[in-house]
Amino acid sequence: GIQVEQSPPDLILQEGANSTLRCNFSDSVNNLQWFHQNPWGQLINLFYIPSGTKQNGRLSATTVATERYSLLYISSSQTTDSGVYFCAVERRRDDKIIFGKGTRLHILP
Amino acid sequence: DAGITQSPRYKITETGRQVTLMCHQTWSHSYMFWYRQDLGHGLRLIYYSAAADITDKGEVPDGYVVSRSKTENFPLTLESATRSQTSVYFCASSESGRGANQETQYFGPGTRLLVL
Repeated sequence: GIQVEQSPPDLILQEGANSTLRCNFSDSVNNLQWFHQNPWGQLINLFYIPSGTKQNGRLSATTVATERYSLLYISSSQTTDSGVYFCAVERRRDDKIIFGKGTRLHILP
Repeated sequence: DAGITQSPRYKITETGRQVTLMCHQTWSHSYMFWYRQDLGHGLRLIYYSAAADITDKGEVPDGYVVSRSKTENFPLTLESATRSQTSVYFCASSESGRGANQETQYFGPGTRLLVL
């Protein structure tokens, strides 16, 4: 089946730093989403981004479907950015959704 | 309350018992999903539904049953719970179709299930 790999698995940064999270996938996909799970377990959708680039405040995402990867950029990190970031892809051949294992981000004050 | 809710939020049960987790959304979203989240596995799709009376298997459907008699509800039943089904279960919904028309998914707060 399709492999979804996220890197790095863990990241610790000082408040104010910038970061780039990566999601690689091994097969053709219909779409890709980025989610944030905060330390209390709440899951929030960040981007629905099958291709191209989107920005929302300090966050932006780029997906290059032909090269099978997506990047999530976080600028000027805040402690509230801490949590786990997941990417999820929808497999083209059967529309099933597969999540990566996430990147755990910890922003130090 | 508006949005997507799950009940119960916490459940302890014993091996072999039947357990039903409820999911309710007030947006009239067509699509609803059930995921389980386990350490080391991330989120895995159990079942999804494209509309009332239409359901399909996800990545890990074994041991689970779903139904969708009404658009707003999508219950998940563990017919005979096993310890391996101890997990956090998330329900989600999205407004429209799959593929190019898929909207973003909105998640419920989760149900923590412990099977003894």
